[in-house]
Amino acid sequence: EVQLVESGGGLVQPGRSLKLSCAASGFTFSDYAMAWVRQAPKKGLEWVATIIYDGSSTYYRDSVKGRFTISRDNAKSTLYLQMDSLRSEDTATYYCASHSSLFAYWGQGTLVTVSS
Amino acid sequence: EIVLTQSPNTMAASPGEKVTITCRASSSVSYMYWYQQMSDASPKLWIYDTSKLASGVPDRFSGSGSGTSYSLTINTMEAEDAATYYCQQCCSTPWTFGGGTKLELK
Repeated sequence: EVQLVESGGGLVQPGRSLKLSCAASGFTFSDYAMAWVRQAPKKGLEWVATIIYDGSSTYYRDSVKGRFTISRDNAKSTLYLQMDSLRSEDTATYYCASHSSLFAYWGQGTLVTVSS
Repeated sequence: EIVLTQSPNTMAASPGEKVTITCRASSSVSYMYWYQQMSDASPKLWIYDTSKLASGVPDRFSGSGSGTSYSLTINTMEAEDAATYYCQQCCSTPWTFGGGTKLELK
């Protein structure tokens, strides 16, 4: 059974940093591109970033470019999202998901709240 | 960026009623994907490649469309179908979602 378990969310002040993790199991992690998708409270889904299977290429939405860094450790089957210079508009539940143009598998999400 | 516009934003349907949700893209796309999100849960892939049902999805659901116009249809509404549905375009970065259609049981 595919499992994606996010962690690392919490309350953080504007301008500070936070690092999210996503532990994967039940599939060959190193074969798949992975992504982070977020959902602001009571709002829709928004793709944030994608990393290809071996980590050699990454893609970001414009609003997070230069502030967020997606990375992966295939030996640990773990996906990461380093979030720097956080803003109030980054407040959302962050989901990790497998990504092959579609998002086939999703984690349960971790809530990030950016507030002073 | 390809903008996806879903309609309606919200709707209510009675058991047995036919439901259609539409998704219009600002530019032509090859395929559309659909996700179901129950209240306080993660999204689930529901329909892929425009018309293929994901594993476990009841066959009362169907998807269709091409170019800039796509739809998700429920042949006969059931209580368990009450959820929010999102479309997502396949093919152009940034990958974008529609704003969602909240389907309630009447």
